[in-house]
Amino acid sequence: NAGVTQTPKFQVLKTGQSMTLQCAQDMNHNSMYWYRQDPGMGLRLIYYSASEGTTDKGEVPNGYNVSRLNKREFSLRLESAAPSQTSVYFCASGGGSDQPQHFGDGTRLSIL
Amino acid sequence: GESVGLHLPTLSVQEGDNSIINCAYSNSASDYFIWYKQESGKGPQFIIDIRSNMDKRQGQRVTVLLNKTVKHLSLQIAATQPGDSAVYFCAPTRGFQKLVFGTGTRLLVSP
Repeated sequence: NAGVTQTPKFQVLKTGQSMTLQCAQDMNHNSMYWYRQDPGMGLRLIYYSASEGTTDKGEVPNGYNVSRLNKREFSLRLESAAPSQTSVYFCASGGGSDQPQHFGDGTRLSIL
Repeated sequence: GESVGLHLPTLSVQEGDNSIINCAYSNSASDYFIWYKQESGKGPQFIIDIRSNMDKRQGQRVTVLLNKTVKHLSLQIAATQPGDSAVYFCAPTRGFQKLVFGTGTRLLVSP
């Protein structure tokens, strides 16, 4: 049982490049989330999807887009990467009441 | 909005001691409180949660206490081991949506 799988694990981009971070969960959870974590800080919510077909902005959505491809997969896209988006990105999934969010091991993204 | 504060950024203990990590929150509407452990290079790992209608919950070597009157919760780890070294986050939530994470407390366990 893999839980939440994120790809890639590491990525270096140049300013202005685009890329998509992939996330898949195998726990049949309805909700999925994208967070970023900057050094020495807690996680901040970028976007979330409460169910297949819906997405909503979190605390720091600017510069990002998301797609809930199906119940299992939730991707995060950076259209034009900026150095301020250098961070570790975590995907999580949760089933709702009595099912706390479970996290992947993150994608470490550096933008030069 | 919600804010989460932790009383100590770093807690150093000796192996075998009991550890207590504290957390203050601001939103009285929070109905679930979750503790996560984050080891270096990994994602947060669920430890234990507690509902707002409870004041204590125990797990394996861990106990969470909730005081809604003063909006405070704590995580107690019994017989702390080197493998407990990590950053611990409390995350208040309402219905498990939109967790609010503080900056975390780093627990250092020395032999």
